[in-house]
Formats: sequence, structure tokens, C-alpha cells
Amino acid sequence: NAGVTQTPKFQVLKTGQSMTLQCAQDMNHNSMYWYRQDPGMGLRLIYYSASEGTTDKGEVPNGYNVSRLNKREFSLRLESAAPSQTSVYFCASSELAGGPNTQYFGPGTRLTVL
Amino acid sequence: AQTVTQSQPEMSVQEAETVTLSCTYDTSESDYYLFWYKQPPSRQMILVIRQEAYKQQNATENRFSVNFQKAAKSFSLKISDSQLGDAAMYFCACSGTYKYIFGTGTRLKVLA
Repeated sequence: NAGVTQTPKFQVLKTGQSMTLQCAQDMNHNSMYWYRQDPGMGLRLIYYSASEGTTDKGEVPNGYNVSRLNKREFSLRLESAAPSQTSVYFCASSELAGGPNTQYFGPGTRLTVL
Repeated sequence: AQTVTQSQPEMSVQEAETVTLSCTYDTSESDYYLFWYKQPPSRQMILVIRQEAYKQQNATENRFSVNFQKAAKSFSLKISDSQLGDAAMYFCACSGTYKYIFGTGTRLKVLA
């Protein structure tokens, strides 16, 4: 039981390049989330998927797209990376969205955009 | 809209002593839950404790307990008998219908 896995763990991009961050969970959770963590800013929600087949914008969606590929997988795509997207990205999942449901987090991806 | 505020960017505590981390929140939801997460240097986010807003009784998990003051919208975390392994970033979070809002975090240093 691996929980929430993310790939890659580290990535360096040049401005304008694109990439996809992958996330998978094996807990049969319905809801999945993408956050970014910046110093002094805490965790900010980029996009979430309350259930398979749905996605919604969070607090900071600009410059990102997501795909809920199936119940297990939720990917985050940067179409044209910018230095402002340098951050640590976390994927999380929960049994249901919000309420009493505890979120379980992946190990994070440290992304640097030059 | 929901907001979560952690006004202490950094705290220090002597090993074996007690420390309290502060958190205030604001929400328009009538049904919500509050969480404290720990993020050690490994970056892994770990749930420390959870509080149901409709419960008056404060949650406790071993050395970790909360002081939940609903009217004041305050949710502080008390760590008793602090250990070196408690050194980490601590995030307060509030959940609503679909989403979770996190505070900016408090870095806790434990001094030997």
C-alpha cells in the first residue's frame, strides 16, 4: 500500500517548456487535489477533483491544467512554464471532498523553472 | 470565503517542555472541521490531529492536544513533553464543503 505517489520528485525546466506532474493513489479515494507550497505562503490549492470525471479550479489555477485520468490518477500540466511556477507541488487525496475527510499527501515534487 | 491565519512564523521550545502553536480561522460554513498537519524536513505532510467543529470537547492524540474556542474562531495546538522529532513546520487547516484552506505555517524548533 503505497498511499499517494508523485513523479518526478525533482524537475528543472526552462521558461516556456511544458511538463506533466503525475499523481496516483491506491486508497480508492474519490477526491484528489493539487497544491503548491511557497515559502511564507503555506499550501495553496491549484485544482481539485471531487470525484472521478469532475475537476474544479482552486485558488491559483492560472497557468495549469489538470486531468483526472481515472479514479486513481490525477495529473497536473504546465503548458508553458514560467519562473513564477518554481515551487514544491503536492498531490493529495481523500475519501470524499472536504468535511471530515482527512487528506493524505504525496511526497511532493520540487520544480525549478529557469 | 475561508481564511486560516497562523501569526507565529517560528517558535522554539526546550526538549521536554510544552509549547502552544496558535491558529485562527474564519469560515461561513456551518459544518466544518479543523486539522493540524506536521511537515518534517522530509517534506511529507502528516496529520497530527483533527477537531470536529460541532464537538465542544477538545481533541487529544497522545502528547498533542488542541484548545478549540469556537466563538473566538481559535484552534491552537499544544505539544507536551516536546521531543527532538517534533521539530517541523506545522500547518493549521480548515475544511469546508469541498476544499481545505491552509495557514502559512509555524516552524517549530526543539532545543536539546
